[in-house]
Amino acid sequence: NAGVTQTPKFQVLKTGQSMTLQCAQDMNHEYMSWYRQDPGMGLRLIHYSVGAGITDQGEVPNGYNVSRSTTEDFPLRLLSAAPSQTSVYFCASSTAGGAYEQYFGPGTRLTVT
Amino acid sequence: AQSVTQLDSHVSVSEGTPVLLRCNYSSSYSPSLFWYVQHPNKGLQLLLKYTSAATLVKGINGFEAEFKKSETSFHLTKPSAHMSDAAEYFCVVSDRGFKTIFGAGTRLFVKA
Repeated sequence: NAGVTQTPKFQVLKTGQSMTLQCAQDMNHEYMSWYRQDPGMGLRLIHYSVGAGITDQGEVPNGYNVSRSTTEDFPLRLLSAAPSQTSVYFCASSTAGGAYEQYFGPGTRLTVT
Repeated sequence: AQSVTQLDSHVSVSEGTPVLLRCNYSSSYSPSLFWYVQHPNKGLQLLLKYTSAATLVKGINGFEAEFKKSETSFHLTKPSAHMSDAAEYFCVVSDRGFKTIFGAGTRLFVKA
């Protein structure tokens, strides 16, 4: 099993550009989520999904879109990048929700200039 | 509403001495509580979790944590620190199952 994979590992964007961060898992987990990690703030939940076709907002959803067309994939879209979105982004999955162990991907380091 | 506070942003110990990382939580429901560890430039790994069974939870690498409802605490301990324990540790609370709240993190330094 590859577990949770994320691409790209690093990305630099200019303000206003859009891009998609990819996340995939091969554990047949129903629950997937996106977090951003900023110094001194831990990880904050952006969006989550409890199954294909079902998504919901987390703590900091503004500026981000998600969709879940398959169990395996959960991409995160930045519609118009802003310097405030400079962060490290982690995707995670679990069998049934946040009350269960979450398996994290290696992260994507995004810089917006 | 749920929240979690890690009381120390940095903790420094000598190798072979005990480790204590403090965490207080707030939850409207019976919470699930976790500790995750993040080594430099790596992803996160589960150390241990509490889900309303035994109040003393044992995790990997010799870590354990005690759930104290009266004090709303879930402190992480280890009897003897090792150099490889140097990392950032996150206390996490989840009470509705779908949303999780991370603490700000505690960076553990281990001196030789």
